Amino acid sequence: NAGVMQNPRHLVRRRGQEARLRCSPMKGHSHVYWYRQLPEEGLKFMVYLQKENIIDESGMPKERFSAEFPKEGPSILRIQQVVRGDSAAYFCASSPNRDTGELFFGEGSRLTVL
Amino acid sequence: DAKTTQPPSMDCAEGRAANLPCNHSTISGNEYVYWYRQIHSQGPQYIIHGLKNNETNEMASLIITEDRKSSTLILPHATLRDTAVYYCIAGSTLGRLYFGRGTQLTVWP
Repeated sequence: NAGVMQNPRHLVRRRGQEARLRCSPMKGHSHVYWYRQLPEEGLKFMVYLQKENIIDESGMPKERFSAEFPKEGPSILRIQQVVRGDSAAYFCASSPNRDTGELFFGEGSRLTVL
Repeated sequence: DAKTTQPPSMDCAEGRAANLPCNHSTISGNEYVYWYRQIHSQGPQYIIHGLKNNETNEMASLIITEDRKSSTLILPHATLRDTAVYYCIAGSTLGRLYFGRGTQLTVWP
């Protein structure tokens, strides 16, 4: 069984450009979570989505960041007008149900903003 | 979610048991204790979790004190591949886990 798939693994953007990170959850998982890890720091929760619904976005920055998990296709984390402070590793995780802290993480997408 | 306290680093000889402590003195009755690890820059890997009782799986054992204010993750026979940052997380479910600084475990030959 394929695990959580994230792409691209590495992304370089210049300030002001847009970054789109994609996440395909494990087969049979309908719950997706995005986390961000800044250099030398722990992971920080950003958003929790189910198919077509945002369940909890309490960790999302108020501006420039958005996430979706459409009925068909992968979940997408979108960062508009990137700044150098957005440089980080973005991890996606999935689970088969909502009442669990056992998450399956992908290998992450590393965004570098020049 | 309850705050956890872990030592920043620990060493362990290969083949010996690694015992990683965690304090979570403010944990509430319905909060689980989860352990994850992150090897180098890879995605975090779930290890084990528990509520009150001790738990064991193929990776590790989790010992939770009776008052639930602390726990210990035990890797019975550490290998070089167990070198990683280990995170102890005390919280409710719904996927919003708080990862602190964790413990950097270094297993040496």
